[in-house]
Amino acid sequence: SQQGEEDPQALSIQEGENATMNCSYKTSINNLQWYRQNSGRGLVHLILIRSNEREKHSGRLRVTLDTSKKSSSLLITASRAADTASYFCATPWTGAQKLVFGQGTRLTINP
Amino acid sequence: EPEVTQTPSHQVTQMGQEVILRCVPISNHLYFYWYRQILGQKVEFLVSFYNNEISEKSEIFDDQFSVERPDGSNFTLKIRSTKLEDSAMYFCASSGLGLNTEAFFGQGTRLTVV
Repeated sequence: SQQGEEDPQALSIQEGENATMNCSYKTSINNLQWYRQNSGRGLVHLILIRSNEREKHSGRLRVTLDTSKKSSSLLITASRAADTASYFCATPWTGAQKLVFGQGTRLTINP
Repeated sequence: EPEVTQTPSHQVTQMGQEVILRCVPISNHLYFYWYRQILGQKVEFLVSFYNNEISEKSEIFDDQFSVERPDGSNFTLKIRSTKLEDSAMYFCASSGLGLNTEAFFGQGTRLTVV
């Protein structure tokens, strides 16, 4: 399958620390997108990184993409309690518009 | 900021009943989608809709499911005869054209079939 798979499945850190989540995928992609989901809520789009980009920033978020390794990472710096959520990477299915999601990383920020 | 809105936020229905989930996509978007997430599981693609027709659907999207864009703003998902296993969070999403456009999701409708 073309699924993105996140690693780790769960991550618990102290407030103020940095959180890093990884995503691997299997086939060529045009872009990779990261989403956040608060418990029982909707998916919030965080960032899209194109296949010809290696790094992208948005506020406290830093996303990297290594197409040779078919992997991406999401770094959240100076974490806050409000960052507690599940984080998903999603890749477009080849030749189609649909997104394929991984299982997600459940991030807990402890005060 | 424009957003995708979904109604209702929570729907409880009896097994065998028909349900219609409603969505208002972002107004200038051209692609519309339904996804679902069974509790504790990953988000799964159901169907995409473009130019007033289904452009792609998954194995999950069987004859019990249908989508419609009844007017210029709404996008609906109908489940004709609900089953217990249809209980899930259903997300509507929309995106523009092009390979590198973001898909924006609504807050979801939590469907509980009893």
